[in-house]
Amino acid sequence: GAVVSQHPSRVICKSGTSVKIECRSLDFQATTMFWYRQFPKQSLMLMATSNEGSKATYEQGVEKDKFLINHASLTLSTLTVTSAHPEDSSFYICSAREVVAGDSDTQYFGPGTRLTVL
Amino acid sequence: GQNIDQPTEMTATEGAIVQINCTYQTSGFNGLFWYQQHAGEAPTFLSYNVLDGLEEKGRFSSFLSRSKGYSYLLLKELQMKDSASYLCAVKDSNYQLIWGAGTKLIIKP
Repeated sequence: GAVVSQHPSRVICKSGTSVKIECRSLDFQATTMFWYRQFPKQSLMLMATSNEGSKATYEQGVEKDKFLINHASLTLSTLTVTSAHPEDSSFYICSAREVVAGDSDTQYFGPGTRLTVL
Repeated sequence: GQNIDQPTEMTATEGAIVQINCTYQTSGFNGLFWYQQHAGEAPTFLSYNVLDGLEEKGRFSSFLSRSKGYSYLLLKELQMKDSASYLCAVKDSNYQLIWGAGTKLIIKP
């Protein structure tokens, strides 16, 4: 159980275009989803926390107008990188939190999306 | 500030045992996680500790001492597929996950 899918797994786009990444919890309902970015050989960096039906909470330094997050249902959150530039090239990973009484409140990760902006 | 420290890189031999340490200083504590991340892939959940002591799960065990702000991940009977980065993460008083930079574990035959 607790499977999270992410699509696409890889995307290459031209500078100035927008890219949408989908994150789905396949076998559980996720009221909260998280979006991370990871540059090569660096740790995960939390970008934003997404709660179903409400606006995302962005971490300091993350531009909310550039990284649009929508969490319209309990199983789907999307991240749209608008007007992408080469410095946005990174590994984007989503995670979903399954909240069960007495559980560790574990985050389960999607497989990640590698974005390359030319 | 909040801080998670773990070694940058460790090397061990196939079949041996290795212990990866993690020390933390966070505003509050609501649990500690260990994740495994292979190169180019997303992290996968390994273990969770919220009370002091040892949690054993097959070849992997995780230990926590809250008074010392210390945890370790113990890997036994190492296999080549265990070569990966191991991430320590602490949930703080706001239930935010604070991530360590990860320990790259290299397994040699």
